[in-house]
Amino acid sequence: QKEVEQDPGPLSVPEGAIVSLNCTYSNSAFQYFMWYRQYSRKGPELLMYTYSSGNKEDGRFTAQVDKSSKYISLFIRDSQPSDSATYLCAVYNQGGKLIFGQGTELSVKP
Amino acid sequence: DTAVSQTPKYLVTQMGNDKSIKCEQNLGHDTMYWYKQDSKKFLKIMFSYNNKELIINETVPNRFSPKSPDKAHLNLHINSLELGDSAVYFCASSQDPGRVDEKLFFGSGTQLSVL
Repeated sequence: QKEVEQDPGPLSVPEGAIVSLNCTYSNSAFQYFMWYRQYSRKGPELLMYTYSSGNKEDGRFTAQVDKSSKYISLFIRDSQPSDSATYLCAVYNQGGKLIFGQGTELSVKP
Repeated sequence: DTAVSQTPKYLVTQMGNDKSIKCEQNLGHDTMYWYKQDSKKFLKIMFSYNNKELIINETVPNRFSPKSPDKAHLNLHINSLELGDSAVYFCASSQDPGRVDEKLFFGSGTQLSVL
């Protein structure tokens, strides 16, 4: 079983839609969860990180962790064409390595 | 100024050749990494170096050899290239890998195509 699994997409939504991106993880000991955003032909960049359970909000973006179900989500409100990118969830495993999900390619159509 | 820069951006080569990818960071970070991203966007760590010392060495074929002449540079040399090596290779750096909320800074990637 992979340590982090992510819906591969691709996902296409109209501008203004609410987007939900999801990952599951295997080890209940994981505590820090991250979302990276990767634009086409660029390297990933950290978008948000959360610790343990609960929500964290940053503008139109909300990261949510449900430790009981080992599920992490990223919500994007009022999505914009500039949000079109690949979104990768990531966790630090107990070996200190940053493990990425497969990435979900999101396209927001004007 | 680019924080993490890698060259070349594109590399097209024949099977069996040897090639190198160079990476430099000007962030003053102690730790540098090589990641491989396959055609399905799956990003996987290959190596990490902390202040020129190898810290993480994943199950990567020994045709891949990283070299860190100083803490600002981490190069990747690949011998006897195979078709399956075609991917995008990303260099990254971070300040303190001991922190579980540590942020990685990535370069723009090197698209390697082996023909």
